[in-house]
Formats: sequence, structure tokens, C-alpha cells
Amino acid sequence: GAVVSQHPSWVICKSGTSVKIECRSLDFQATTMFWYRQFPKQSLMLMATSNEGSKATYEQGVEKDKFLINHASLTLSTLTVTSAHPEDSSFYICSAVRPNYGYTFGSGTRLTVV
Amino acid sequence: KQEVTQIPAALSVPEGENLVLNCSFTDSAIYNLQWFRQDPGKGLTSLLLIQSSQREQTSGRLNASLDKSSGRSTLYIAASQPGDSATYLCAVREVQGGSEKLVFGKGTKLTVNP
Repeated sequence: GAVVSQHPSWVICKSGTSVKIECRSLDFQATTMFWYRQFPKQSLMLMATSNEGSKATYEQGVEKDKFLINHASLTLSTLTVTSAHPEDSSFYICSAVRPNYGYTFGSGTRLTVV
Repeated sequence: KQEVTQIPAALSVPEGENLVLNCSFTDSAIYNLQWFRQDPGKGLTSLLLIQSSQREQTSGRLNASLDKSSGRSTLYIAASQPGDSATYLCAVREVQGGSEKLVFGKGTKLTVNP
């Protein structure tokens, strides 16, 4: 079964609203989780690194005030897309490094902003 | 800046054929390399993880090789099946100081025709 659980798998929201995406490591503790974004027919682009108990590290060009990341426990990281706009519509995927297995990914969240 | 390139971008083969997917990276200072498969609209499934000190890894019909000094990896798929149809992503893990990231190629879209 999945060792990194991501919810919801898809969400449609109105422009201007906020959406929260959850990422949980199910059978291991993850002090660090990663959030990616994927546009159609493109590869994954790292948005930010989520660190348990401290601030997230954002990649260049990613607005930290728009993409709020909280890593409140060793098994849960959340990404909140604030004041969403249609251009934020994308596929968001989280991952964590599972000991001896490398990076393990969630199933992704398809966000559509209308 | 690390860049990962995958060739070909797309590949279509008849069922039963053996095939090779190629991945190259510009900076050989990698921690490890991972091959993933992604089905449309889904997250990533890890196929093989090769540590920087290793030359190859095998899992079932899959064999991945790593030549770190030349910055190359290949994924060999034996006796391909229609169920192998997916996008295959190569990614290198970089660890520098207290941070790390996974850098992806753009993927090879594989279609295996029955």
C-alpha cells in the first residue's frame, strides 16, 4: 500500500479561495517533505522543502505567501494555496525520503481553479 | 546547476521487445539516482534506486545502470508488455550541506503496443 498518502486527489475551487493539501507519511517519520508542481506534459518542479518544526525552504520564484507550508509533525505536511487563481491550476505532488527506499511520492492532487 | 536529460522523449514499441531508456546528468556529484514511472494523472512509483557507489540494480524485468563519472544511466526493460506503457522519469538526488533536492528529467513516454 501507499506509504505516502496525499489528500485530496482532486479539488475544484473558486478563484480567490484557499485550498489545503495534506501529505502524510504512513509508516515512517519524515522530518523533511518536498512539494512539487507539475504542468501538463512537463516534469516535476520542486516548489519547497518542508521541515518539521521549522520554516519551509522555498525554491527561487515560488511565492512563500501564496504557497503556505506547515510541517507540524513528523508525519504530516500541508500545502495551502492561498487566494487561488486559474494560473495556479496544476498537479501538486508531495514526497518524503523513506529510509533505504529513496524518495517516495504521494498520489498527487489535481487542483482546478475556476 | 544540475540538469537531467532523458532521451528519447517518446518511444513506441511492439509488445515483447526489449528496450533501453537513457538518462544523462551534468554534475556527477550525486548522492543517488532513481527511476520512476508515472501513469497519467497519477503520482510517481519508484522503480529502482541506485546509490552513487553502485553500478546497477535489477528488479524483475527492469535493470538500471549507473556510470557516475560519465553522467549516464540507462533503464533496460526486458520483454515489454502493454502494462509497461507510462512515462518514465529519471531523477538524481543532490545533497549539499544541510539541504537536498531531487532533480528530474522531462521523462520518456513509453507506449507498448499489443
